[in-house]
Amino acid sequence: SQTIHQWPATLVQPVGSPLSLECTVEGTSNPNLYWYRQAAGRGLQLLFYSVGIGQISSEVPQNLSASRPQDRQFILSSKKLLLSDSGFYLCAWSPANTGELFFGEGSRLTVL
Amino acid sequence: AQKVTQAQTEISVVEKEDVTLDCVYETRDTTYYLFWYKQPPSGELVFLIRRNSFDEQNEISGRYSWNFQKSTSSFNFTITASQVVDSAVYFCALVPGTYKYIFGTGTRLKVLA
Repeated sequence: SQTIHQWPATLVQPVGSPLSLECTVEGTSNPNLYWYRQAAGRGLQLLFYSVGIGQISSEVPQNLSASRPQDRQFILSSKKLLLSDSGFYLCAWSPANTGELFFGEGSRLTVL
Repeated sequence: AQKVTQAQTEISVVEKEDVTLDCVYETRDTTYYLFWYKQPPSGELVFLIRRNSFDEQNEISGRYSWNFQKSTSSFNFTITASQVVDSAVYFCALVPGTYKYIFGTGTRLKVLA
């Protein structure tokens, strides 16, 4: 069966520090991968999606970046965090462009 | 424009009451999919239902039912005889034939004992 894991689950970082959130999918190949952010009291904002290794599409200009070094690995990064980067980050995958989205457990980032 | 509107930010009901969560979408695509997800306090999103644009049949799953009406671009979700465990944030989403899932802002449902 397919599983998705992301880590760390909780992160507290100072402003200006770097960020790396990692997401791994198991039990499937060539998944579509997504990073979403959910700010407090707000909906889900699509940040990045990827349809293959090295293929990243950015939805929102910001100081975040994403990479897909392997087929089932998706990484969200920042060189210098801002206060506004605080939120709940969710990784997700889907087997096809119209299939069900499967979400990871989420990573709660607090930037102080 | 392609968007999903969940006008109800928060709803509170007493246990055993029925409650309907509204979802209105916009798209020019003739082929698209609609989804509902549940986000319990733990944070992880749980898939509830997928509906394609060519299937307007209403669906019932236990206490949950969905009413899809293309004429009004709505995909509403009803919980019958609500329970405290139904308390969560519910998201409606649109996939307009691309890789991008467009989510509404969510409706927080509080079911009071």
